[in-house]
Amino acid sequence: QQQVKQSPQSLIVQKGGISIINCAYENTAFDYFPWYQQFPGKGPALLIAIRPDVSEKKEGRFTISFNKSAKQFSLHIMDSQPGDSATYFCAASTQGAQKLVFGQGTRLTINP
Amino acid sequence: ETGVTQTPRHLVMGMTNKKSLKCEQHLGHNAMYWYKQSAKKPLELMFVYNFKEQTENNSVPSRFSPECPNSSHLFLHLHTLQPEDSALYLCASSQAAGLWDEKLFFGSGTQLSVL
Repeated sequence: QQQVKQSPQSLIVQKGGISIINCAYENTAFDYFPWYQQFPGKGPALLIAIRPDVSEKKEGRFTISFNKSAKQFSLHIMDSQPGDSATYFCAASTQGAQKLVFGQGTRLTINP
Repeated sequence: ETGVTQTPRHLVMGMTNKKSLKCEQHLGHNAMYWYKQSAKKPLELMFVYNFKEQTENNSVPSRFSPECPNSSHLFLHLHTLQPEDSALYLCASSQAAGLWDEKLFFGSGTQLSVL
């Protein structure tokens, strides 16, 4: 019930392509869905977040798509760049930042 | 100094040792967290402190003992650990302002190896 399932575990995309990472959840009480980006040797950093009252949020090349009925949300990275190579984590919470449940992470590699 | 600073960056300890991890935040935040990051597992929330008071203990074994003397500092005291406790331990902070989009700011972590 508290799990967030993330796929794929790893992803390789060519420079300029679209990277898509998917997450699914069971707990319908979740009301906050952030994505975090982590570079090697660093802690995760918030990338973008969404609430379930909207179906899409875009910030620059990063877009979250949210499907409340399917209990799924995804991260799209447009025009992927080598600098986007990192591990991405989706998360969900019923209490904002205080009780985040994280997905297992996706290691994204953008080939030049 | 910027953001959230964790020391040491790396720690190797035996199962009978006692050691402590330190975290300091320079962001004026009032909530601090310990997370555990193991290979091939999701980030696991361990403890949450709000205004120096522990508000969350996510069923963490007693061999991990947190301490929060003030809103800027957080410690994780370790004793009689097991090899399966080897992981990256991440400290984080947030404003604790109750905002829906409150950000977690993470440190770079302490990579712990238990022999």
